[in-house]
Amino acid sequence: GAVVSQHPSRVICKSGTSVKIECRSLDFQATTMFWYRQFPKQSLMLMATSNEGSKATYEQGVEKDKFLINHASLTLSTLTVTSAHPEDSSFYICSARRQDMNTEAFFGQGTRLTVV
Amino acid sequence: GQNIDQPTEMTATEGAIVQINCTYQTSGFNGLFWYQQHAGEAPTFLSYNVLDGLEEKGRFSSFLSRSKGYSYLLLKELQMKDSASYLCAVRDYGGSQGNLIFGKGTKLSVKP
Repeated sequence: GAVVSQHPSRVICKSGTSVKIECRSLDFQATTMFWYRQFPKQSLMLMATSNEGSKATYEQGVEKDKFLINHASLTLSTLTVTSAHPEDSSFYICSARRQDMNTEAFFGQGTRLTVV
Repeated sequence: GQNIDQPTEMTATEGAIVQINCTYQTSGFNGLFWYQQHAGEAPTFLSYNVLDGLEEKGRFSSFLSRSKGYSYLLLKELQMKDSASYLCAVRDYGGSQGNLIFGKGTKLSVKP
């Protein structure tokens, strides 16, 4: 089946620093990738939709200058959390849809971000 | 608005059958998904329904009624490893390019 790789799986950073999270589709091309955030015991909340070669579409309430998304190729999207604060600590998950499959989205392993 | 409801927690016994319900109200509909998520891990795909009826896949079955905005996930012959959260998600083309809208998940505990 299709595989999406997300890296790193865990990261601890100091307040005020930036963290980059990578999401790669390993065996298929993904023109669209999605970034979600999940707080403990909460649902996955869509942050933004990442489109290859164009600007990401952000959901209401998500700061585009704080959560920078780059989808430079058909297999890679990155999310950079800039000037991280403790309240940004969360579980970040990406997903990708295959162009030829209008069904499931494939998820990365998730990144546990802790800002201290 | 968008709303997806499912029970917060359920408990069942090993070997038994459990049904997890999901009701949804979304501006659009292009399929309903069930995912399994173990603590601290990403969701894994279980099933997809876009037409009314029952889809069976091994020990897991999923049912959809679009007119009622209702779905359920049926797990048979429960195993301890089935203890996880089960997420109901709807693809809503009224959103951003068909993204998934997730319910809060149902935490299932399977006991011996």
